[in-house]
Amino acid sequence: QKEVEQDPGPLSVPEGAIVSLNCTYSNSAFQYFMWYRQYSRKGPELLMYTYSSGNKEDGRFTAQVDKSSKYISLFIRDSQPSDSATYLCAMRFSGGYNKLIFGAGTRLAVHP
Amino acid sequence: DTAVSQTPKYLVTQMGNDKSIKCEQNLGHDTMYWYKQDSKKFLKIMFSYNNKELIINETVPNRFSPKSPDKAHLNLHINSLELGDSAVYFCASSQVSGGAGNEQFFGPGTRLTVL
Repeated sequence: QKEVEQDPGPLSVPEGAIVSLNCTYSNSAFQYFMWYRQYSRKGPELLMYTYSSGNKEDGRFTAQVDKSSKYISLFIRDSQPSDSATYLCAMRFSGGYNKLIFGAGTRLAVHP
Repeated sequence: DTAVSQTPKYLVTQMGNDKSIKCEQNLGHDTMYWYKQDSKKFLKIMFSYNNKELIINETVPNRFSPKSPDKAHLNLHINSLELGDSAVYFCASSQVSGGAGNEQFFGPGTRLTVL
């Protein structure tokens, strides 16, 4: 079993839809949770960064962490074709070095 | 200005060859990383250097040897290339090696194809 599980999709939605992306994890010691967006043939770019449980909102993006269920989510409101990309969740422990463990990534396509 | 840059962007080579990939960051960060992304987009850390010192060394064949001449540069040398080494290799950097709010910035990647 992988430490971080993420459905690779693809997920196809119409423009304007609310998108929900999710990851589950097995190690309860993870404390920092991130979402990266990766366009085709580009490097990952950080979208959201959350510490421990709770919600964080940034524009159309909301990240949620439920540590009791070992489940994290990224919601995208009013999705746009420019949101079409692969979304990678990542997490790490609070101590030690900055070693990120990534999910497999979910490919999202938003069609006009 | 490019924050994290990698050269070359594409690398096509024959099995058995030796090749190097270079990475440079101009963010003033202390820590740099190499990641490998396979054909299924799975991104896995290989190495990390903090101020030229190796701090993360995952289970990677010893044909892969990272080198950090200074904290702004991290190179990856691969000996005796194999078909399974074909992947996209990403360099990343972060301000420090741990602690809160320590985001990693990624380079554009080097797409390695071994024939």
